Amino acid sequence: TQLLEQSPQFLSIQEGENLTVYCNSSSVFSSLQWYRQEPGEGPVLLVTVVTGGEVKKLKRLTFQFGDARKDSSLHITAAQPGDTGLYLCAGGGQGAQKLVFGQGTRLTINP
Amino acid sequence: NAGVTQTPKFRILKIGQSMTLQCTQDMNHNYMYWYRQDPGMGLKLIYYSVGAGITDKGEVPNGYNVSRSTTEDFPLRLELAAPSQTSVYFCASSIWGTDYGYTFGSGTRLTVV
Repeated sequence: TQLLEQSPQFLSIQEGENLTVYCNSSSVFSSLQWYRQEPGEGPVLLVTVVTGGEVKKLKRLTFQFGDARKDSSLHITAAQPGDTGLYLCAGGGQGAQKLVFGQGTRLTINP
Repeated sequence: NAGVTQTPKFRILKIGQSMTLQCTQDMNHNYMYWYRQDPGMGLKLIYYSVGAGITDKGEVPNGYNVSRSTTEDFPLRLELAAPSQTSVYFCASSIWGTDYGYTFGSGTRLTVV
């Protein structure tokens, strides 16, 4: 069974600080996705990474896929209250029919 | 495009009642999924479908049933509701497999009393 472990599970920081969220597995994935979920809404896809070592940037968010395609990280620079939400990583396999989701990281950015 | 539409948004059921959660997508996606999310927790897969007429169980299928008669619709049926089924239910779809990402609906908040 493939598992994805996210850390930390909860993170509360002040506006303007930097943070990193980790997503780790012992399994290899063909792709790794990050979603953000705001209260009362469904998760929204932020990014998909498919190549080992790949780095993608989305404004102040930087996503990296590990060289061995077993882990990923999300780094937020100068966090803002609008970044508050539940961040979920999800792994896809070659030919897989369903994603494997991590348990999520609940991020709170305090003004 | 409307994307993935779920109805109703909120529902209160009494123990033992039944109901159907509706999910429809207008993106011609082949794959569709039902998840439940308990407070403060991640997503648990209930059922999924890779095309019309094909469904399969996820991690937590007990107490639920699904059907997929068309590409667009993937209703989730709760029979004999129990308090343990109090949760937020999300439907999602994907064009083809996992590498293209999921589009989620906005959820149905169900309370069983």
